[in-house]
Amino acid sequence: AQKVTQAQTEISVVEKEDVTLDCVYETRDTTYYLFWYKQPPSGELVFLIRRNSFDEQNEISGRYSWNFQKSTSSFNFTITASQVVDSAVYFCALSEANTGNQFYFGTGTSLTVIP
Amino acid sequence: KAGVTQTPRYLIKTRGQQVTLSCSPISGHRSVSWYQQTPGQGLQFLFEYFSETQRNKGNFPGRFSGRQFSNSRSEMNVSTLELGDSALYLCASSLGGGFSYEQYFGPGTRLTVT
Repeated sequence: AQKVTQAQTEISVVEKEDVTLDCVYETRDTTYYLFWYKQPPSGELVFLIRRNSFDEQNEISGRYSWNFQKSTSSFNFTITASQVVDSAVYFCALSEANTGNQFYFGTGTSLTVIP
Repeated sequence: KAGVTQTPRYLIKTRGQQVTLSCSPISGHRSVSWYQQTPGQGLQFLFEYFSETQRNKGNFPGRFSGRQFSNSRSEMNVSTLELGDSALYLCASSLGGGFSYEQYFGPGTRLTVT
């Protein structure tokens, strides 16, 4: 079974629109971490954020914000006022205390921001 | 600090050959993980090394192996290459070996098997 589901395969938005990327995870561990990564066309995965299972506070970093809800097992990512440079594939990932340093990645959401 | 480096960046091999990929982690990072990325399967975990010991292994055949050296540099080897091994191989390093550490990825090695 997929531990991390990113149901949105591709999203296109017009520049300056807000966009939310969904991430739903599945784990039996009570202690785990969630991550978001960005993969631009160059191919290198860029770390964006880490959130542990005990911290449900939302986080904002510039135009980026993250909404973590344990009740729905979701860790959604919102980009406000999108820009062309935001065009990339975004991955959500899970690591669990019981499986060590192994990351489980979702299948990614390809975001295209149209100028 | 320099990021994670991987060599070579591109590789073309023939079915049945073997290949060795190299990864140099960020200075001070002791954990190195390898992932295979393909359009069909996405990002899949291969294995993780910490202090020269393999601590975790994904669901890949024994043709895939790796090692880590005392300077934390890591190599991954694939023997008897198959067409399905064509993929982007990503190396990631982290400061510690626990599940709480974020991983920093290299640019990857694009392997094409013909």
